[in-house]
Amino acid sequence: ETGVTQTPRHLVMGMTNKKSLKCEQHLGHNAMYWYKQSAKKPLELMFVYNFKEQTENNSVPSRFSPECPNSSHLFLHLHTLQPEDSALYLCASSQGTSRFGGELFFGEGSRLTVL
Amino acid sequence: QKEVEQDPGPLSVPEGAIVSLNCTYSNSAFQYFMWYRQYSRKGPELLMYTYSSGNKEDGRFTAQVDKSSKYISLFIRDSQPSDSATYLCAMSDNSNYQLIWGAGTKLIIKP
Repeated sequence: ETGVTQTPRHLVMGMTNKKSLKCEQHLGHNAMYWYKQSAKKPLELMFVYNFKEQTENNSVPSRFSPECPNSSHLFLHLHTLQPEDSALYLCASSQGTSRFGGELFFGEGSRLTVL
Repeated sequence: QKEVEQDPGPLSVPEGAIVSLNCTYSNSAFQYFMWYRQYSRKGPELLMYTYSSGNKEDGRFTAQVDKSSKYISLFIRDSQPSDSATYLCAMSDNSNYQLIWGAGTKLIIKP
């Protein structure tokens, strides 16, 4: 495996379900991110982890719960979601969180549909 | 007013045409400007990066930054059907590493 891999690629869940999205990066990077992408809207940064420590939480509802057990793995735990949470969830990694931010390397995303 | 404005398109042009994609922004502190390309069912990938003002060329692609007008452009020469994708602009300032994104422009190159 190379780059950033996300599983599952597609997920359909009811509003009462609990599911998790998984991300793994094989680039030796220190920082990992979760972004939400909705149609015709800018990417929304959700969470940032740098060396396994959460450094950003952009006012994300508590029904989204991130977990970063090590610098290579990132999870997004989902529970009691709303239909408006349906979107493409992108994981990304970078070498660091410098002032420039560095190049972000994205996974292919997990397409989430909440019924 | 959004921090970064980008026309979502779609922009449809014939193969071989010169394409111009643009973003305007409101924060004069932005210094780092990026263009990401996103193919359908894929994640974005960095295409071009420019610091401050000026032009940068890479093959058929030219990125241009006009800080006085708060306007950035991406030009694609001799466009190919394989250039069909969504192009996202992103930018940041010197104090905050977070990228501010445009909504993306969907580009369609017709053979």
